[in-house]
Formats: sequence, C-alpha cells, structure tokens
Amino acid sequence: AQSVTQLDSHVSVSEGTPVLLRCNYSSSYSPSLFWYVQHPNKGLQLLLKYTSAATLVKGINGFEAEFKKSETSFHLTKPSAHMSDAAEYFCVVSDDRAAGNKLTFGGGTRVLVKP
Amino acid sequence: SQTIHQWPATLVQPVGSPLSLECTVEGTSNPNLYWYRQAAGRGLQLLFYSVGIGQISSEVPQNLSASRPQDRQFILSSKKLLLSDSGFYLCAWVPTYQETQYFGPGTRLLVL
Repeated sequence: AQSVTQLDSHVSVSEGTPVLLRCNYSSSYSPSLFWYVQHPNKGLQLLLKYTSAATLVKGINGFEAEFKKSETSFHLTKPSAHMSDAAEYFCVVSDDRAAGNKLTFGGGTRVLVKP
Repeated sequence: SQTIHQWPATLVQPVGSPLSLECTVEGTSNPNLYWYRQAAGRGLQLLFYSVGIGQISSEVPQNLSASRPQDRQFILSSKKLLLSDSGFYLCAWVPTYQETQYFGPGTRLLVL
C-alpha cells in the first residue's frame, strides 16, 4: 500500500520569499510522483511530475521538486512567491502496477501569500 | 487538443432528490476516467474509476453510482441525495498508456 504525508496543512509566506512545501511518501514500488495545485473552486492543475528520470523536476510557474529516494521525500519549492501562488497544493503518488492507475493524494497544503 | 468538461458547474439540490453529474472528454479515445469528491477542508476521495465502456470500479460504499455509456462520457448518479453528499466533485482522465491524470473544472454540489 502507498501513502502520502504533507507535513504542513498551512504555509504562510511573504511575496518575494521562498516557498517550501514538504511531502513524504511510502510505496512498495518505484513510484511516480506529482504535485498539483488547486485554486479556489477550480479543478486541479498539474505542476510537475517525477517518473524515474532526473531527480530534480522543473514544473510550471517557477516551481520545482526534488525526488530523494533515501529520504522518501518529494518537496516542492519556488525561489520567490507571487500573490498568484496562493492556493492549495497536493502531493500525489501513483503506483502504475495498481489497476486503473489510481492515485494516492496527500491531505493538501494551503499556501497564503502576504503582500 | 484534449479537453475535459463537467456540468453543471454548481448545483443546489434538496435531500432525497436524484442526482446526475456529467463528465465528457474530447480529443482522445479509450481514456481511463475517474470521479473524486472533495469535502470542505478535506483532500480528494476517489469514488469510481472506469477503464472502458460499461466497466466501473467502486472505491467506497455509498449511495452514489457511476456509469460509462460511451467511451468519453462518465456519469455520476444518485437516486436519493443525502446531506453528506455535499462537496466538490471532480472528474479526471488519463490518456491511454499514460499515468498523468488531468482534471476537469469540477461541480460544486450543495444538498439542503
């Protein structure tokens, strides 16, 4: 069985400062990992994904994440937060051995960006 | 290009009334399709998924059901809504032989 833990339910940053969203996973196999962002009353948008290629993954809007197998982590970072980054972020693991390509979602981290 | 549609965008229904939410995907064939529910302040819960026409897998017992009458159409239904059915319902799809899920805009359901 696989699981995902997002270590912070809420993160508050000032505009222009770095953002760090922490994610740890548990999986019996080599997983694929994703970060999605959800703005209020919207669907989820894919930020980036790791699928066993480069361990440092670059995504949209200046976000990137680093896969660390030894730490079972996939933390999301951005060097400089923008007001438009205020949203909820989900770390997700996929086990492609599972029927139906089902995903396991973390509980989400809500990001507040202060001017 | 591929797109995913959900309707309605918002729905207010009385307890005990029926429900039908529709999801359609354009620009692809034989996708995997998924229904999720997101309750207020909580993460996503997978309700149903489908790997083909007429093939539905249920993840949690509840008073909801799903159907896939056409390749690119996925319907979520209920005969009698409960207050606890309120939430944000998201449909997602995966292209054939891929694993990334792409989400629709969602339907906000409020049961009163």
